Amino acid sequence: QKEVEQDPGPLSVPEGAIVSLNCTYSNSAFQYFMWYRQYSRKGPELLMYTYSSGNKEDGRFTAQVDKSSKYISLFIRDSQPSDSATYLCAMSVGSARQLTFGSGTQLTVLP
Amino acid sequence: EAQVTQNPRYLITVTGKKLTVTCSQNMNHEYMSWYRQDPGLGLRQIYYSMNVEVTDKGDVPEGYKVSRKEKRNFPLILESPSPNQTSLYFCASSLFSIRALNSPLHFGNGTRLTVT
Repeated sequence: QKEVEQDPGPLSVPEGAIVSLNCTYSNSAFQYFMWYRQYSRKGPELLMYTYSSGNKEDGRFTAQVDKSSKYISLFIRDSQPSDSATYLCAMSVGSARQLTFGSGTQLTVLP
Repeated sequence: EAQVTQNPRYLITVTGKKLTVTCSQNMNHEYMSWYRQDPGLGLRQIYYSMNVEVTDKGDVPEGYKVSRKEKRNFPLILESPSPNQTSLYFCASSLFSIRALNSPLHFGNGTRLTVT
């Protein structure tokens, strides 16, 4: 069993929809939780970062961590075609560097 | 512009022919790392370096070498490439200090390697 599981999709939604992306994990020692966005033919870029449980909001994006259920989510409100990308969850024990990544969910937002 | 630069972007080679993928960063980051990305497997760490002359194995180091002679450069070396090393490779860098535990990784734009 992988340490981090992520539904690969692909996920296709109409513009303006609310998108929910999820990851589950098995290592209870994970403390740092991140979401990276990867556009086609580009490297991943950090989108959201949270430490420990709870919610964090940044514009149209909300990251949610439920450590009791070992479950993290990324919500995108009012999705735009420019949000079309692969979203990777990532997490680590001791720092934001030594990361274990999910396999990524490919999202397409249709105009 | 702050960036991580990888070269080449695309590379096709044959089994056994030694190759090097270069990585350079201009952010004065201590920490650098190499990943490979494969469908369904996500990003897996090959090697990482916490500073000059300090390198360590990641999750999938077999068949790869690295060196860190200068802070800005972290080349990935495949001494005898095999078809199972066909993949998309990413270099990344970050600050490394006790005060920068949450410093994020900055990634290059990838090198697509095909070994025939």
